[in-house]
Amino acid sequence: QKEVEQDPGPLSVPEGAIVSLNCTYSNSAFQYFMWYRQYSRKGPELLMYTYSSGNKEDGRFTAQVDKSSKYISLFIRDSQPSDSATYLCALTGANSKLTFGKGITLSVRP
Amino acid sequence: NAGVMQNPRHLVRRRGQEARLRCSPMKGHSHVYWYRQLPEEGLKFMVYLQKENIIDESGMPKERFSAEFPKEGPSILRIQQVVRGDSAAYFCASSPRYVQTETQYFGPGTRLLVL
Repeated sequence: QKEVEQDPGPLSVPEGAIVSLNCTYSNSAFQYFMWYRQYSRKGPELLMYTYSSGNKEDGRFTAQVDKSSKYISLFIRDSQPSDSATYLCALTGANSKLTFGKGITLSVRP
Repeated sequence: NAGVMQNPRHLVRRRGQEARLRCSPMKGHSHVYWYRQLPEEGLKFMVYLQKENIIDESGMPKERFSAEFPKEGPSILRIQQVVRGDSAAYFCASSPRYVQTETQYFGPGTRLLVL
């Protein structure tokens, strides 16, 4: 079993849709949870960072963590064509190294 | 405030040559991490360094790969005697402190192609 599983893609939605991206993990040592966005041929860009169960909102983005179920989600409201990118969940514990999901490619159609 | 800088952005090497990838962390950051992204794969941790120290190299291949972060100058990821399987995007990230309180910021990557 992989440490981090991310829903496979690709995912295509119309502009304005609500997008839900999900990851599950198996290692209870993970304490910190991040979502990165990566445009084609670019480096990952940090979107959201949280360390507790519950919701964290930033503009159109909401990160949700459920430690009891080992499940994390990223919601994008009112999706825009500029949101088209690959989204990566990343988790870490005490050792500082990030463990990434495989990534899901999102395409928002105008 | 410049972000993490990596050079070269693209590197072509023939099998058996050496590849040297450089990373300059963000100003004020003293922790550097290297990750590798193989085609159709996610990002995989390779090594974590602080100035003059390797903290965690559990993701580094046992042979041909080495990394350093000297007191002065950029961090270097060195791959000796490259093989085709080394073709990948190599990303550097930096943080000012442990990731528990600070997150890692990534550079644009170096895309290595081994012919």
